[in-house]
Amino acid sequence: KQEVTQIPAALSVPEGENLVLNCSFTDSAIYNLQWFRQDPGKGLTSLLLIQSSQREQTSGRLNASLDKSSGRSTLYIAASQPGDSATYLCAVRDGNNRLAFGKGNQVVVIP
Amino acid sequence: KAGVTQTPRYLIKTRGQQVTLSCSPISGHRSVSWYQQTPGQGLQFLFEYFSETQRNKGNFPGRFSGRQFSNSRSEMNVSTLELGDSALYLCASSGGLAGVVTDTQYFGPGTRLTVL
Repeated sequence: KQEVTQIPAALSVPEGENLVLNCSFTDSAIYNLQWFRQDPGKGLTSLLLIQSSQREQTSGRLNASLDKSSGRSTLYIAASQPGDSATYLCAVRDGNNRLAFGKGNQVVVIP
Repeated sequence: KAGVTQTPRYLIKTRGQQVTLSCSPISGHRSVSWYQQTPGQGLQFLFEYFSETQRNKGNFPGRFSGRQFSNSRSEMNVSTLELGDSALYLCASSGGLAGVVTDTQYFGPGTRLTVL
């Protein structure tokens, strides 16, 4: 069974600092990995999708890397802003089109 | 394109009752997946429908069921509600013609179910 871990569960950073969020998974037989953002009481917003054949994806201030062999992904958010405060979730897709989620990193960016 | 919509947004039920939640996927998407989110367990996969057929199922009891219509809209039903069923229920749609595993999943805002 795929286990996805995100550590730390919560973190606070001053505005302007770069954010580094880590995700690890136990089964490297994945099809892709997706990073989501969730605001309190809301649904999930897709941030980046990395296919298993890719090493990284970038969108604006966001960059996600994937090392499938070691079961790790990292989400970088450059020059954090208070609007980046949210919970960030990592999810890996298996061959049956199921997403296995981590429990998230709850981020607070302090103005 | 309109996003994934879910109705109702909030529901309050009592133990023993049943409930039906609805999800309308993004136009053209044929795969709809359902997830349960609770503070303790996080997000857990319930089931996935593709072209009106259940393609995958998670580890939930038979009280949780679903279906998909020819227009790709999906419903999930929970019978004999228990207190532990209180959660945010999210649906996600993906895929175009084949609903392949490489597609991005797009989530709706969720239905918040409270069981008293």
